[in-house]
Amino acid sequence: EPEVTQTPSHQVTQMGQEVILRCVPISNHLYFYWYRQILGQKVEFLVSFYNNEISEKSEIFDDQFSVERPDGSNFTLKIRSTKLEDSAMYFCASRHRGKIEQFFGPGTRLTVL
Amino acid sequence: GESVGLHLPTLSVQEGDNSIINCAYSNSASDYFIWYKQESGKGPQFIIDIRSNMDKRQGQRVTVLLNKTVKHLSLQIAATQPGDSAVYFCAENNPGANNLFFGTGTRLTVIP
Repeated sequence: EPEVTQTPSHQVTQMGQEVILRCVPISNHLYFYWYRQILGQKVEFLVSFYNNEISEKSEIFDDQFSVERPDGSNFTLKIRSTKLEDSAMYFCASRHRGKIEQFFGPGTRLTVL
Repeated sequence: GESVGLHLPTLSVQEGDNSIINCAYSNSASDYFIWYKQESGKGPQFIIDIRSNMDKRQGQRVTVLLNKTVKHLSLQIAATQPGDSAVYFCAENNPGANNLFFGTGTRLTVIP
């Protein structure tokens, strides 16, 4: 069964450093998403991406965040200058055109020291 | 703003009993709801969904009930098993929005 994959599973970085979180969505999906989940809290929407551009973003997704689909398979989330409060699980999700159900990856745990 | 929330943060049930997890939503325009299961260290896993034009939908051992009058959603798990232990989230989709809004989550613990 196809699934969303994410790398790395855990990323530790120093405050102020740049990080890139990587995702490989399900191959025939066209809509891609990033969500985050601070420990013990609910999953929060960050950004949605379709047709090589951002279609929607939340207040969390400020100028420090960016997304990119550098090739036909990867979907990345970059945080330019990490802050302590960026520590969270980051989930990538994708969905098929015409469907609403989103399939989530296993997540990347980001720890900012 | 609009929000999705859960009534109970934790629920403990005996193995074999039925579980009911509740969710309240506030956006009456939401047209689609999903229940996700999240096991420790993993991403949310789809369980079952329901559209707003339905009141009930059944899957394997799970049933989702939607009461639009009081904006309430519930997930019923029949014959709960230890493998059902996880955090359960409800999520809603608003028409025109290209994302899901998640509730806070309920931790279900199944006691063998």
